[in-house]
Amino acid sequence: AQSVTQPDIHITVSEGASLELRCNYSYGATPYLFWYVQSPGQGLQLLLKYFSGDTLVQGIKGFEAEFKRSQSSFNLRKPSVQWSDAAEYFCAVATDNYGQNFVFGPGTRLSVLP
Amino acid sequence: DSGVTQTPKHLITATGQRVTLRCSPRSGDLSVYWYQQSLDQGLQFLIQYYNGEERAKGNILERFSAQQFPDLHSELNLSSLELGDSALYFCASSVTLQGAGNTIYFGEGSWLTVV
Repeated sequence: AQSVTQPDIHITVSEGASLELRCNYSYGATPYLFWYVQSPGQGLQLLLKYFSGDTLVQGIKGFEAEFKRSQSSFNLRKPSVQWSDAAEYFCAVATDNYGQNFVFGPGTRLSVLP
Repeated sequence: DSGVTQTPKHLITATGQRVTLRCSPRSGDLSVYWYQQSLDQGLQFLIQYYNGEERAKGNILERFSAQQFPDLHSELNLSSLELGDSALYFCASSVTLQGAGNTIYFGEGSWLTVV
């Protein structure tokens, strides 16, 4: 079965600084990869997804992620963090097109200093 | 707004009771998923329905059950509630067509507090 790890439980950055959230997955083939964001008291919102093709994917709110097969990683990046980006970020992996076997990582909580 | 609607948003009930959480998927989505999010377990997949039929089952307790109706809305029934069942329950939906590159969209969740 596939698994997802997010090594950083909590990250704090200053407003305007760059951000990289790490995600590593374990799966024998190329999975479908996702990043979701959960603001306090809110549901999960899809930031971006990778299915195939260009390994650098652009998402909403200025986020991007890069799929690196050799490292089994799908790290999320943003060049300049805003106060409103403070939230919980979840990496997820699906191994088929039907949505089952959709596994989430434990999440990384992002705090932003003014 | 994801288009997935969950009710109620907040619910407080006593141990031993039974509650029903309701979910309306996005228009056109055939699959409905239920997830439980708690502080100690993180985001756990419970169950998936596709067009009225159970498709996949995750870490769902026997005290919990779900169903998807002909109009595609779904209900999650939680019975004999225990304090540890207090959590945020998410519903999600997707189109689920082969080759479509399935993406799951989440509702805002139902907060359940068992006292």
